Amino acid sequence: QSALTQPASVSGSPGQSITISCTGTSSDVGGHDYVSWYQQHPGKVPKLMIYEVSNRPSGVSNRFSGSKSENTASLTISGLQAEDEADYYCSSFITNRGFVFGTGTKVTVL
Amino acid sequence: EVQLVESGGRLVNPGGSLRLSCAASGFTLTNYNLNWVRQAPGKGLEWVSFISSSRRYIYYADSVKGRFTISRDDAKNYLYLQMDSLRAEDTAVYYCAREGFGEDSSGYYYAYYFDYWGQGTPVTVSS
Repeated sequence: QSALTQPASVSGSPGQSITISCTGTSSDVGGHDYVSWYQQHPGKVPKLMIYEVSNRPSGVSNRFSGSKSENTASLTISGLQAEDEADYYCSSFITNRGFVFGTGTKVTVL
Repeated sequence: EVQLVESGGRLVNPGGSLRLSCAASGFTLTNYNLNWVRQAPGKGLEWVSFISSSRRYIYYADSVKGRFTISRDDAKNYLYLQMDSLRAEDTAVYYCAREGFGEDSSGYYYAYYFDYWGQGTPVTVSS
């Protein structure tokens, strides 16, 4: 299972919007809608931000949104805030094989 | 309150074995798919293993296949990971993670995402 491809880093100023991409194949990201996103602050446990491509769990800010086009999923953070500075990982289920995570993206708030 | 608490991580020699445990509370383990995920120092997340609620489906990452064994004891509310033939590259914090459900007009379905994570237990493989 090769890791999904994410940009190593993305940055933006407070209030701006940023988008993190997550590219896979037709066997994972492109094959179904079981794509999720996780936020991880340094030394902390990953936190679920988006599931099934675009669903937001209760308690997660509506500034976070997800989408997908063919083999690429995206996480958009609008109205960027200092607390959004963290690492972000996408994940996809692979039928009959398990899961794969993305390479991870470090978000910096300038 | 849903809680997952891992234990069993420690320093072990290359080639050695270790058994990790994950104690679950605040929910009925029986209904849930469970996973192990690891994170090497300074690295990203790596999925390790999956066990379905029925135990019918078990999957492993290629990097651990043939060396690690996942199991569960629903009566005791525990998830386990037996790790054999350990290598330096297995050094990581190991998290147990519960899978969440989706919901539609037909009811609930497995939606293959990790809604709750434990705090992790560190495993170091070194001589």
